[in-house]
Amino acid sequence: NAGVTQTPKFQVLKTGQSMTLQCAQDMNHNSMYWYRQDPGMGLRLIYYSASEGTTDKGEVPNGYNVSRLNKREFSLRLESAAPSQTSVYFCASSVMRGGGETQYFGPGTRLLVL
Amino acid sequence: AQSVAQPEDQVNVAEGNPLTVKCTYSVSGNPYLFWYVQYPNRGLQFLLKYITGDNLVKGSYGFEAEFNKSQTSFHLKKPSALVSDSALYFCAVRAPIGANNLFFGTGTRLTVIP
Repeated sequence: NAGVTQTPKFQVLKTGQSMTLQCAQDMNHNSMYWYRQDPGMGLRLIYYSASEGTTDKGEVPNGYNVSRLNKREFSLRLESAAPSQTSVYFCASSVMRGGGETQYFGPGTRLLVL
Repeated sequence: AQSVAQPEDQVNVAEGNPLTVKCTYSVSGNPYLFWYVQYPNRGLQFLLKYITGDNLVKGSYGFEAEFNKSQTSFHLKKPSALVSDSALYFCAVRAPIGANNLFFGTGTRLTVIP
């Protein structure tokens, strides 16, 4: 199993450009998540999807949209990138939302917005 | 509101010595607690978790953590540090009821000195 995969690994955007970060998991997990990691701030949840067909806002959703395309795939879209969105983005998945289940993380996408 | 504090940004320890990475939490009710490790340019890897039961939890790579309810702590420990343990360690908490996501600490960088 590949686990959680993310593309691209690295991206440079100009302010105002749009892009979609892709995430896929092959563990048959129901729940998927998008986090951003910034220096000195740990990881913060952007959006999550408890199950196929549902999405909900996390702690820092402004400036982002998500799509749960199917059970395997959960994409994150930046419609108009801003320098404040320069960060490392991690996708994660788990069997279910809530409780003590473990989240499994992808390798990350490093985004630089100029 | 849930929160996690990792009071040390950096911990240095000599190879072969015991190591401790500290974590305290704040949550309503009984918490679910997690430790993750991040190696350079990699995603987060799950180490261990406390859900209920024995306060001493054993995890991957020889790590363990002790849940202390009275001190609201969940410190990560290892009896004998290896150079390969050098990485960034994150503590995370989730409340068992009504929580949508994990709340991460800001991370502690562990350096094991040969």
